[in-house]
Amino acid sequence: RKEVEQDPGPFNVPEGATVAFNCTYSNSASQSFFWYRQDCRKEPKLLMSVYSSGNEDGRFTAQLNRASQYISLLIRDSKLSDSATYLCVVSGSNYQLIWGAGTKLIIKP
Amino acid sequence: DADVTQTPRNRITKTGKRIMLECSQTKGHDRMYWYRQDPGLGLRLIYYSFDVKDINKGEISDGYSVSRQAQAKFSLSLESAIPNQTALYFCATSDWGWGRKDTQYFGPGTRLTVL
Repeated sequence: RKEVEQDPGPFNVPEGATVAFNCTYSNSASQSFFWYRQDCRKEPKLLMSVYSSGNEDGRFTAQLNRASQYISLLIRDSKLSDSATYLCVVSGSNYQLIWGAGTKLIIKP
Repeated sequence: DADVTQTPRNRITKTGKRIMLECSQTKGHDRMYWYRQDPGLGLRLIYYSFDVKDINKGEISDGYSVSRQAQAKFSLSLESAIPNQTALYFCATSDWGWGRKDTQYFGPGTRLTVL
């Protein structure tokens, strides 16, 4: 089993819709969780950290479920500019981050 | 100007050649990282450095070496390149080693092809 697993997609979603995707992780001791965004052939950029109580940043909401070991990302009122690959990142041992392979999102007009 | 720069941006080389990828940052961060990204896989950590005197192997360090010349510079070398080292390589920095504030800032990447 991979340490961090994501549905690779692509998720094809009409503009204005709500979309959500999950990420599961295997290390129950993980303490830090993040969502990064990566545009095609570009560098990853932090979208948001994920806090235990859940957190929201504009149209984006992140949730953590420690019992089931998954994190989720919800995007409301999706925009064409949201098209990207979303990378789930979880802290591992020795201060390293473990990266998921990403979920590709395509927003269609 | 970009905070994290990488050179070269693209490189095509032949099997057996020595290659050096360079990374510079102006963010003033102590921590620097080298990752590779392959299609269908997450970023994988090659080496990381918490300061100039502290260098650590990551998940996939075999076939690679690094040098931390200064706080701002971290180079990755492939002593004898092989085709399965063809990948997109990213350098990253962070200003906090552990916990929720460990945001990583990435360079634009180096696309390396080994023939």
